[in-house]
Amino acid sequence: DGGITQSPKYLFRKEGQNVTLSCEQNLNHDAMYWYRQDPGQGLRLIYYSQIVNDFQKGDIAEGYSVSREKKESFPLTVTSAQKNPTAFYLCASGGTSYYGYTFGSGTRLTVV
Amino acid sequence: QKEVEQNSGPLSVPEGAIASLNCTYSDRGSQSFFWYRQYSGKSPELIMSIYSNGDKEDGRFTAQLNKASQYVSLLIRDSQPSDSATYLCAVNDPTSGSARQLTFGSGTQLTVLP
Repeated sequence: DGGITQSPKYLFRKEGQNVTLSCEQNLNHDAMYWYRQDPGQGLRLIYYSQIVNDFQKGDIAEGYSVSREKKESFPLTVTSAQKNPTAFYLCASGGTSYYGYTFGSGTRLTVV
Repeated sequence: QKEVEQNSGPLSVPEGAIASLNCTYSDRGSQSFFWYRQYSGKSPELIMSIYSNGDKEDGRFTAQLNKASQYVSLLIRDSQPSDSATYLCAVNDPTSGSARQLTFGSGTQLTVLP
C-alpha cells in the first residue's frame, strides 16, 4: 500500500542535542512538506521541497534543517538552535494540485 | 500573503443535528479546495475535495463551493459523537510550483454532544 511513514512516533531530546525525524513516502510524489503543530494550534510550515536536491524555507525554518537526496525521503533535523522544539511534527507529500496532501502519522517531540 | 480563514470555534452541536463549518480564502485564482479531519493527537486525514462551484456530497458530508464569494463550507448531516474533531480547510496556492502547495486554515474544533 502506498503511504507516508514517519518515525519515530515519540522522540525525546535533551538540551543542546540535535535530533532527526524521518519521513519516507512511496506515493511517487514530487513535493514533500514539514509542519509543526503546537497544542490547540494550526499547522505551521517549516520547510518544503518540490524536487530532489532542492528545498525552501517555510514560515518557521529557524532552528531546523532538511535534506532531499532522494525523492522518497525528506528528513528533518531539529537543531540545538531551536529553543522550544516540543511539538507535534507532521510530514506531508503532494502530487498534483488535484489531490491535496497525504500526511504521515506524526512524531511527537519532547524536550527533557 | 495567502489567507484561509475559518469560523472560530469551538462549535458544539447535539447528536443528529447538522454541523456547518465555514471557510473563506483570499486568492481568487485558487482552484482546489479540501477539508481535512484531525482527531486529537492524530494527523489530518482528507475527507472531502471540491473544485467546481456548487455542492459535492459524500455520505453524510457535503462540501459547498462559491468561487465568486471565495467561500467554501462543509456540512455534516446526522452528526455523530465520532465526528468530534478539528476540521481544517485547505486551499491551493495558484502561484506555487505546479500550483499544488496548500494554505491551511487554523481549524474549527467540533464537538458533537450525545
